[in-house]
Amino acid sequence: RKEVEQDPGPFNVPEGATVAFNCTYSNSASQSFFWYRQDCRKEPKLLMSVYSSGNEDGRFTAQLNRASQYISLLIRDSKLSDSATYLCVVNRDPWYGQNFVFGPGTRLSVLP
Amino acid sequence: DADVTQTPRNRITKTGKRIMLECSQTKGHDRMYWYRQDPGLGLRLIYYSFDVKDINKGEISDGYSVSRQAQAKFSLSLESAIPNQTALYFCATSGSPNQPQHFGDGTRLSIL
Repeated sequence: RKEVEQDPGPFNVPEGATVAFNCTYSNSASQSFFWYRQDCRKEPKLLMSVYSSGNEDGRFTAQLNRASQYISLLIRDSKLSDSATYLCVVNRDPWYGQNFVFGPGTRLSVLP
Repeated sequence: DADVTQTPRNRITKTGKRIMLECSQTKGHDRMYWYRQDPGLGLRLIYYSFDVKDINKGEISDGYSVSRQAQAKFSLSLESAIPNQTALYFCATSGSPNQPQHFGDGTRLSIL
């Protein structure tokens, strides 16, 4: 089992739809959590950090459930520009060497 | 100007050649990383460094070496390039523990 797993995708949704991505992690010592987006053949870009109480940034909402070791990302009112691959990233232990663990990503296509 | 700069952006070379990819950052971060990404696959860690005198192997370090010449610079070398090292290479930095990584634009490397 991979340390960080995500919905396999791809997700094809119409403009304006709400879409949710799920991510699970296996290391209960994980400390911090992030969502990145990556456009085709471009660098991953930080979308948002995920806080224990949940957090929102415009159309994007992230949730963390430490007990279930689960992270989610909700995108409301999808735009064409939201089409990308979404990466769940877990910082398993900030004092440990290979501390960032990337999920395989979930591809989203927003259709006109 | 980009905070994390990779050079070159693209490189085509032949099997057996020595290649160096360079990364410099203006973020003042201590931690630097090199990843490779192959089509349809996730990011895989090659090497990382938490300080100028600190070099650590990642999950796929064979065939690669690195040098951390200064806090701001981290270079990746392929001593004798082979075709299966054709990939997209990313440099990343991170600051204090629990902070996210920031990526360079990437280097597209093709080995013929």
